[in-house]
Amino acid sequence: QMQLQESGPGLVKPSETLSLTCLVSGFSIDSNSYYWGWIRQSPGKGLEWMGGVYYGGSAYYNPSVNSRVTIFVDMSKNQFYLKLTSLTAADTAVYYCARLVFSGFARIDHWGQGILVSVSS
Amino acid sequence: EMVMTQSPATLSVSPGERATLSCRGSQSLSYNLAWYQLKPGQAPRLLIYGASTRATGVPPRFSGSGSGTEFTLTISGLQSEDFAVYYCQQYNNWPPMYTFGQGTKLEIK
Repeated sequence: QMQLQESGPGLVKPSETLSLTCLVSGFSIDSNSYYWGWIRQSPGKGLEWMGGVYYGGSAYYNPSVNSRVTIFVDMSKNQFYLKLTSLTAADTAVYYCARLVFSGFARIDHWGQGILVSVSS
Repeated sequence: EMVMTQSPATLSVSPGERATLSCRGSQSLSYNLAWYQLKPGQAPRLLIYGASTRATGVPPRFSGSGSGTEFTLTISGLQSEDFAVYYCQQYNNWPPMYTFGQGTKLEIK
């Protein structure tokens, strides 16, 4: 059974860089058919797709965070990562990692439980 | 830029009744529309994709319909575990982009 599990700091300071890890179990990250991505939900707000990466390295990002975000994979560890720079309070959110289906009827078919990240001094 | 609008923001329905949630796109989506269920502390769950295809393990009381710009998620015979927040999502081919609606909170009446 496939599972995704986020890990990382729960509190980061403004202007710093957030680094999150997603461990994928029960499925190989180097599958041809899927991307791996991050979605966040700020308090009291809806879901925002941040971006996704293919195991071969190609990545796509939401223009709203494009200048600050990097998503990349480590096939040897079956993990992928999010880096978000120049943090502000507006980046406080629950961050979800997920498996993305880009082809056919695009959808997000497996999600982690999420990790709450607060940006505060 | 695609904008997804969900209505109503909050829907109050009694257990056993039917809930109808709406999602409208600012541009035609064909059938490229998905629905998700979110509960606090849990992984979000894919319910419907391709506007009307139930995801693996989703019970038949969940159904999706629509095409173009107007879509509906119907939940028949509401059970206690169905009270949650529901989001619709569209996908843009280029540049690749997933966009969500603002959500509908389904609460017990």
